[in-house]
Amino acid sequence: DQQVKQNSPSLSVQEGRISILNCDYTNSMFDYFLWYKKYPAEGPTFLISISSIKDKNEDGRFTVFLNKSAKHLSLHIVPSQPGDSAVYFCAASRALTGANSKLTFGKGITLSVRP
Amino acid sequence: GAGVSQSPSNKVTEKGKDVELRCDPISGHTALYWYRQSLGQGLEFLIYFQGNSAPDKSGLPSDRFSAERTGGSVSTLTIQRTQQEDSAVYLCASSPGGGDYEQYFGPGTRLTVT
Repeated sequence: DQQVKQNSPSLSVQEGRISILNCDYTNSMFDYFLWYKKYPAEGPTFLISISSIKDKNEDGRFTVFLNKSAKHLSLHIVPSQPGDSAVYFCAASRALTGANSKLTFGKGITLSVRP
Repeated sequence: GAGVSQSPSNKVTEKGKDVELRCDPISGHTALYWYRQSLGQGLEFLIYFQGNSAPDKSGLPSDRFSAERTGGSVSTLTIQRTQQEDSAVYLCASSPGGGDYEQYFGPGTRLTVT
């Protein structure tokens, strides 16, 4: 039973355009949602997060939107740059610290930004 | 400063052998997590350590898997009698706790069971 779903395995966008990465979840107990970025042969690195009490969080070129009623979140990257090419994982947890801080991940989406 | 380190980076073992995977978390981080990523899958939680508290082992897939964290620092994940389905990248993450919740991941150990 996959609780965090990233239904598109890959996305290709032109440099300078917007990248929109989608994620759906099924567990209503999740309170925190995070995006991680992963380059080959490296561990994932934290990108941005959002609490379930918010619907938007912005950090530079990265914005995460949360639609709690639809159990859907999306990561927007504007403008996209070739260095953004990586695998992006959506993750969720019930808490940020303590026993419920373990992350449940989606399968990831490979983003390719064409120069 | 130094990040999370894991060793070995690659491990090939024969089915039925035992393996030990090591994680050195960032100094001072109280929380430590093990995850694994099988081919084509997302990261799957295995085990969580927090300070001196009893670990959360709810993600371990079978009793062949065990983990220790000595002195609140280094952790070892042991897989006994390895099976081919254990082949995966095993990732360790640590977190400072308190107000900083970010999990910092190591580069992982790629385990191949032949």
